[in-house]
Amino acid sequence: KQEVTQIPAALSVPEGENLVLNCSFTDSAIYNLQWFRQDPGKGLTSLLLIQSSQREQTSGRLNASLDKSSGRSTLYIAASQPGDSATYLCAATDTGRRALTFGSGTRLQVQP
Amino acid sequence: EAGVAQSPRYKIIEKRQSVAFWCNPISGHATLYWYQQILGQGPKLLIQFQNNGVVDDSQLPKDRFSAERLKGVDSTLKIQPAKLEDSAVYLCASSLERREFDEQFFGPGTRLTVL
Repeated sequence: KQEVTQIPAALSVPEGENLVLNCSFTDSAIYNLQWFRQDPGKGLTSLLLIQSSQREQTSGRLNASLDKSSGRSTLYIAASQPGDSATYLCAATDTGRRALTFGSGTRLQVQP
Repeated sequence: EAGVAQSPRYKIIEKRQSVAFWCNPISGHATLYWYQQILGQGPKLLIQFQNNGVVDDSQLPKDRFSAERLKGVDSTLKIQPAKLEDSAVYLCASSLERREFDEQFFGPGTRLTVL
């Protein structure tokens, strides 16, 4: 059974800092890995999807990497802004039923 | 393109009452998912539909939870009777089809409080 862990659980940084969020998964046989953003009281917004054959994906100030052999993914946020404050969730799509297994998230606070 | 719609957005009930949630996926999306997100945790899959058939309901507490997908489009999730531990946000998601690189799109969720 796939298990996804995210470290740290919470993070507070001053505006402008570059930061890295970590995600690890126990079963390396995944189809893809997704990073989501969740604002309080809102649904999930997909940020990046990394296919199993890819090593990384980039969108604006966001860069996500995937290392299937070690069971790890990282989300890099460059030049953080107060608007980046949210909970970031990673989720792995397994090879069978194709549903997502989520981590518990990292709650990010960017101080102005 | 309209997103995934869910209603109601909020619901407060007392334990042992029943409640139902509704989801309308993105037009043309064959796969529909219901997730439960307890405060401070990531979403957990409850049930997955492919068109109007159930693909996976292994984590659905079938003694109190039920779900259906009418004509392969809209879906309802019901809890009867509700327990305190059912307090959570219920998220609906849809994807185009069961392809390897499918992306799931999520609705805003229904926040359930059981008193």
